[in-house]
Amino acid sequence: EPEVTQTPSHQVTQMGQEVILRCVPISNHLYFYWYRQILGQKVEFLVSFYNNEISEKSEIFDDQFSVERPDGSNFTLKIRSTKLEDSAMYFCASSGGPLPYGYTFGSGTRLTVV
Amino acid sequence: AQTVTQSQPEMSVQEAETVTLSCTYDTSENNYYLFWYKQPPSRQMILVIRQEAYKQQNATENRFSVNFQKAAKSFSLKISDSQLGDTAMYFCASTLDTNAGKSTFGDGTTLTVKP
Repeated sequence: EPEVTQTPSHQVTQMGQEVILRCVPISNHLYFYWYRQILGQKVEFLVSFYNNEISEKSEIFDDQFSVERPDGSNFTLKIRSTKLEDSAMYFCASSGGPLPYGYTFGSGTRLTVV
Repeated sequence: AQTVTQSQPEMSVQEAETVTLSCTYDTSENNYYLFWYKQPPSRQMILVIRQEAYKQQNATENRFSVNFQKAAKSFSLKISDSQLGDTAMYFCASTLDTNAGKSTFGDGTTLTVKP
């Protein structure tokens, strides 16, 4: 069954450093998302991406965040200057159609900012 | 704005028994979709079941079924013949019928199936 692949599974970074989280969505999917889950808290929407541009972003997704689909395969989330409060599990998801059929999630990247 | 509420932080059930997880939501929109996702200890979320708001018939996927009460804005998940592998965190989510497809998640219910 097709999968959404995320790398790395765990990343530790120092506060102020830039990190790039990588995702390979399902190949024929058109809609891409990043969500995050701070430990013990609910899953929060960050951004949706369609047709090579951001469709919607949350208030969490401020200027330190950016997304890219550089090569038609990878879908990346960059955090320019990490803060302690960015520590969370980051999930990439993709969806196949214009209507929300439900996501296929990746297994997540645990980001720890120290 | 959408809100999704799961009022049961933790639940447990004996293997082979039936359990119902509660979810309520609030939206002013008429067209939306509701989902239940399962997040096992391995932490990858998996879609369990999906319900279109315009359909009156409750969705069913094998041992999983929903009780969708649109007027009450309630969307509960029933798991029949519970199995040990059903042990997981379960999230209820709602998505408006827009191209962005952004979902709003509840806080989750941790379900433990006991042997």
